[in-house]
Formats: sequence, structure tokens, C-alpha cells
Amino acid sequence: DIQMTQSPSSLSASVGDRVTITCRASQSISSYLNWYQQKPGKAPNLLIYAGSSLQNGVSSRFSGSGSGTDFTLTISSLQPEDFATYYCQESYSSPRTFGQGTKVEIK
Amino acid sequence: QLQLQESGPGLMKPSETLSLICSVSGASFSSHNHYWGWIRQPPGKGLDWIGSISSGGNTYYNPSLKNRVRISVDTSKNHFSLNLNSVTAADTALYYCARQTINSRWDVFDAWGQGTVVTVSS
Repeated sequence: DIQMTQSPSSLSASVGDRVTITCRASQSISSYLNWYQQKPGKAPNLLIYAGSSLQNGVSSRFSGSGSGTDFTLTISSLQPEDFATYYCQESYSSPRTFGQGTKVEIK
Repeated sequence: QLQLQESGPGLMKPSETLSLICSVSGASFSSHNHYWGWIRQPPGKGLDWIGSISSGGNTYYNPSLKNRVRISVDTSKNHFSLNLNSVTAADTALYYCARQTINSRWDVFDAWGQGTVVTVSS
């Protein structure tokens, strides 16, 4: 199984901050990397697919980059509605695996 | 508009078989680009993929559950199902169904149900 490791596990930030979350795969996954946002009591929502493609309807303040083993999710200017937990997920092989999540909290 | 809705027992006893149904509306099961999957989330923890099925019935499962899990699809009823046998407290989780869109460049869970809580307790 491919292991996905996110860092940090949690962070505190203020509205307007630039936020970066990192995801590392235990082996190369090319660009088969997706990012999801999950708010409390809600299902995950797809933000970024194929490493850097923005899902329809998602704000352009979200961006993704990386390939191989190292990936980044960036929120350019944190908004109140962005406080949530973010998960990366590889789609390179089976079983599909998710990172452990990064919780973004209000400072 | 695509909607997925899970239904299931809520509370179960150890060793029983969990059966969940995901009812799908607003989409066709016949698309070659779509699989239909189950993902679960233990309380306070992250997401674990359980398995997926195509409209034609091709399945693939997480090896960690492979001996206990079966996913099936009923296109006439527009739903797909999860069966997990011999449940234990470790199977207590919020269970989501999701549409999985697959092509040569990406493979994503792009639509999710709201989830259903399953608690295993004696």
C-alpha cells in the first residue's frame, strides 16, 4: 500500500493568511493526487484533482502543485469558510489511500 | 443534480453482518467512466476507502477488508450496496458512499452522500 503523510497535522492561521499543506507519498504516484476539504458534520468535498486541476465551482484561492512524491495544497488568502480539515488522496494504485488530514483552525 | 443517500441499521452487535444501501438519483449507472465506492471514517479519525464497483459489477476492495466485504449494484433500482460481515467495534464509523470518476488522467471521488453512522456494540 502507498502511505500518504500530511504535514502539519494541524495549524492555526488568521483570515487573510497564506496557508500551505504538504502531502508526501511513500512512492512515486506521478500526478495522481487529489485534495478534499471536510467541514464538521459534512462529507468531504473535492477541491483539486490530478495534482493541480481545480474542481469546478471551487474558489481559485485554492491551488495544488507537485508530482512524484511531494505535493502541496495552498490557500492564497484564508477565508472564514476555509476553516476545515483537508485530506490528500492518491489514485495511483489500489487500495486508494488518504492522508491523515490537516486541521486548519482559527488563530 | 446527482444525489447519493446512504441507509443502514445504525446500531449493530458484534459478529453481525452490516448491510448498507446507497441510493443514487440524478445520474445514470451505465457510464463507463464511473465507479461507485464506499469510504468510512472512524470517530475522530481520517478516511478509509473500503471498495468500489462499476455499473457492470466489476469490483475492487481494500485488502484489509477483502475477506469480509462485498459490494454489489442493482441498476434497476439505481442503488449499490455494501455488505461487511463479522463486524467488531473497530468497524464503528461514519460510512459514506461516493461516485468515483475515472479516466486516464484522474480518478476522484467527486460526489458524496451525507454519510450514515454505524455503531457496533454489545
